[in-house]
Amino acid sequence: AQRVTQPEKLLSVFKGAPVELKCNYSYSGSPELFWYVQYSRQRLQLLLRHISRESIKGFTADLNKGETSFHLKKPFAQEEDSAMYYCALRRTNAGKSTFGDGTTLTVKP
Amino acid sequence: ETGVTQSPTHLIKTRGQQVTLRCSSQSGHNTVSWYQQALGQGPQFIFQYYREEENGRGNFPPRFSGLQFPNYSSELNVNALELDDSALYLCASSLAGTGKGYTFGSGTRLTVV
Repeated sequence: AQRVTQPEKLLSVFKGAPVELKCNYSYSGSPELFWYVQYSRQRLQLLLRHISRESIKGFTADLNKGETSFHLKKPFAQEEDSAMYYCALRRTNAGKSTFGDGTTLTVKP
Repeated sequence: ETGVTQSPTHLIKTRGQQVTLRCSSQSGHNTVSWYQQALGQGPQFIFQYYREEENGRGNFPPRFSGLQFPNYSSELNVNALELDDSALYLCASSLAGTGKGYTFGSGTRLTVV
């Protein structure tokens, strides 16, 4: 069974501070991991995926298979990063994605 | 490139009724997935359609059914509505085999009274 856990429902940091949103997963096979973001009054959108190893809007995430984690990090948070963030897992080349319950990030001025 | 469009945006139904939600996938995408999102929770997978056939199903009863059409648009049908069916229903399209993520619609807010 696939499972995604985001241990923090709420996370608050000050502008310019580093931020890390945690994501842990359980899956016995080879997963694909994603981070999705939902800004206020906007639809859910893809932020980044582990396969591409990219940095989007200053965010990065490294897949750690040993710790079964895919934490999202940004060295200097901005107020516009305030949003709901969801971590999701998908079996390689399969359809179903399993989402965590999300973390609401608030970046204070 | 057009995004994912869902209709209607809001809907109120009475318990026991039936409802149909619609989704137009993003241009170039051939797979549509439906999710249910209750308040304070992440999206829960209902099912996925690829080439007009169901291609994976989550833990939802048979009264949740769907269709995909040749133009890759899709419908979600729910029969015998229950109060617990009240939620945001999200449609997400993707291109199979690419390893890319979903493009989501803005959702349909269903309230069952």
